[in-house]
Amino acid sequence: EIVLTQSPGTLSLSPGERATLSCRASQSVRSNHLAWYQQKPGQAPRRLMFGASVRATGIPDRFSGSGSGTDFTLTISRLEPEDFAVYYCQQYGSSPTTFGQGTRLEIK
Amino acid sequence: EAQLVESGGGLVQPGGSLRLSCAASGFIFTDYWMSWVRQVPGKGLEWVANIKKDGSEIDYVDSVKGRFTISRDNAKNSLYLEMNNVRAEDAAVYYCARPQLLREDAFDIWGQGTMVTVSS
Repeated sequence: EIVLTQSPGTLSLSPGERATLSCRASQSVRSNHLAWYQQKPGQAPRRLMFGASVRATGIPDRFSGSGSGTDFTLTISRLEPEDFAVYYCQQYGSSPTTFGQGTRLEIK
Repeated sequence: EAQLVESGGGLVQPGGSLRLSCAASGFIFTDYWMSWVRQVPGKGLEWVANIKKDGSEIDYVDSVKGRFTISRDNAKNSLYLEMNNVRAEDAAVYYCARPQLLREDAFDIWGQGTMVTVSS
């Protein structure tokens, strides 16, 4: 199965700053079938991106996704207070689908 | 609005059984594969099982094969997870989730989760 490694484990930034989150796969992700989720305490994950770079409906354009093959990035251009949460990547190009261990984005 | 609501979680003894349910609304249930995903509190996400639109194809993560059974009742717009011979490592929040289109896909709709605690 494909192992996804997210970095950093924790990212401490201030509102208004730019956040760059990384997701690296142990093998190439077929057809860039890579999704990103945001999870806040006590809530279910919320889909942000799919197909590596396609924003889900209702997701602000400050969120963007990029990458291909084994290296993917989620960028939040200017952090808003509500963006501080845990972020997960998921690959669904190979069975079984797998998730990264998460990046915690915390207020500095 | 598409919605998933889980129920059935609770305390179960090691080796015991539990049945989780997920009620779907706001979308055509028979148009979608459905999945269970779990999360140990404070930890990451793990896909557990999925089932085809008509129930004819089923997949499981290796760690639950032979112990868990996923099923669906399309007449009731409901998804189930029968958990048998439960182990300590099965303790988690279990989410019902909808793959957006394909068997293996991003999950676009999630339930609120139901907690399974394993303890004697």
